[in-house]
Amino acid sequence: EAGVAQSPRYKIIEKRQSVAFWCNPISGHATLYWYQQILGQGPKLLIQFQNNGVVDDSQLPKDRFSAERLKGVDSTLKIQPAKLEDSAVYLCASSLDGVNTEAFFGQGTRLTVV
Amino acid sequence: GEDVEQSLFLSVREGDSSVINCTYTDSSSTYLYWYKQEPGAGLQLLTYIFSNMDMKQDQRLTVLLNKKDKHLSLRIADTQTGDSAIYFCAESDTGGFKTIFGAGTRLFVKA
Repeated sequence: EAGVAQSPRYKIIEKRQSVAFWCNPISGHATLYWYQQILGQGPKLLIQFQNNGVVDDSQLPKDRFSAERLKGVDSTLKIQPAKLEDSAVYLCASSLDGVNTEAFFGQGTRLTVV
Repeated sequence: GEDVEQSLFLSVREGDSSVINCTYTDSSSTYLYWYKQEPGAGLQLLTYIFSNMDMKQDQRLTVLLNKKDKHLSLRIADTQTGDSAIYFCAESDTGGFKTIFGAGTRLFVKA
């Protein structure tokens, strides 16, 4: 079974530039999560989708971050414009239905903002 | 708000037992998890426990939950060098939503 795929693995951008990350969840998984993991900290949930609807985006900085999951499969997370403090690993995870089921994580995209 | 706290580092000798501790604040937590993260990799769920349990054992892993003190521990028996990683404690509510992670405990295993 293929795992959660994310791209790119690494990205370096200058502050005020834009960046987008892509995630392909495990086939058949209805729930998709984006987490931000700053160095030395645990992952923090940014947004959770159930199919193509948003379940929780309470910690998403909506002035600069946006995410979509068109057709309830792949998802993109965008930052526009980026700030230095956005430097982190962005993890995508998926689970079968988001309740009582295990979430599987991708390898993450390491973003460095200079 | 909800918080999960862990010690940052633990160093053990190969073959010894490792005990990683975690405390959480949300009394309504229903699920408590332990995840493992190796360098350059995503998180891997090791084990989880429901809040109505006080112990769960899975091969070399033993999870102990003290709900009164909101304390969770992970014991790894016969620790191997391959167990070197960061271990995250996490908790979530009844729906499995809003999973809150600790900052992670980095386990060093000395040969």
